[in-house]
Amino acid sequence: EAGVTQFPSHSVIEKGQTVTLRCDPISGHDNLYWYRRVMGKEIKFLLHFVKESKQDESGMPNNRFLAERTGGTYSTLKVQPAELEDSGVYFCASSGPLLETQYFGPGTRLLVL
Amino acid sequence: AQSVTQLGSHVSVSEGALVLLRCNYSSSVPPYLFWYVQYPNQGLQLLLKYTTGATLVKGINGFEAEFKKSETSFHLTKPSAHMSDAAEYFCAVSATFGYALNFGKGTSLLVTP
Repeated sequence: EAGVTQFPSHSVIEKGQTVTLRCDPISGHDNLYWYRRVMGKEIKFLLHFVKESKQDESGMPNNRFLAERTGGTYSTLKVQPAELEDSGVYFCASSGPLLETQYFGPGTRLLVL
Repeated sequence: AQSVTQLGSHVSVSEGALVLLRCNYSSSVPPYLFWYVQYPNQGLQLLLKYTTGATLVKGINGFEAEFKKSETSFHLTKPSAHMSDAAEYFCAVSATFGYALNFGKGTSLLVTP
């Protein structure tokens, strides 16, 4: 069974540009989560989808971040325009109907110059 | 609200020595507690979790953790360190399954020959 996959693995962009991160959850997992780790800080929750609906988006830092999950399968996280403080590792996780374990992807390392 | 404090951002042990990684939590409700491990260039992998019941929880790779409510702790231990245990370890807490995980800052474990 394939795990959670994320694309790209690395992204280097300039301040003011737009970047879109993609996450493919484990097949059949309705729950999808986005987290972010800024260098030197703890991993922070961004938002939680149940199928295509946003269950909890309390962690989204501001309106430059837009997450979507059309069709309830893969998800995208767009940052527009990117700022220096957006640099970090963005993790995606998914869980099945029992919600017991969140399975994490390898992360996307974003560097904003 | 839930939060986690991991004491020691870096821990060094000799191969064969006891591994002890400390985690204290704060939670307004009975907590669900997790330890994740991140090996270089990989995603987070669940080591073990505590939900209810037995307070001593056994996980993968010989790790275990004990939930101590009176001390609000969930320390991770392994009797004998292996070189392959070198990684970053994260303690996390949530209010229940399916909710956002609140992570500590992580502890990097170095194992020396």
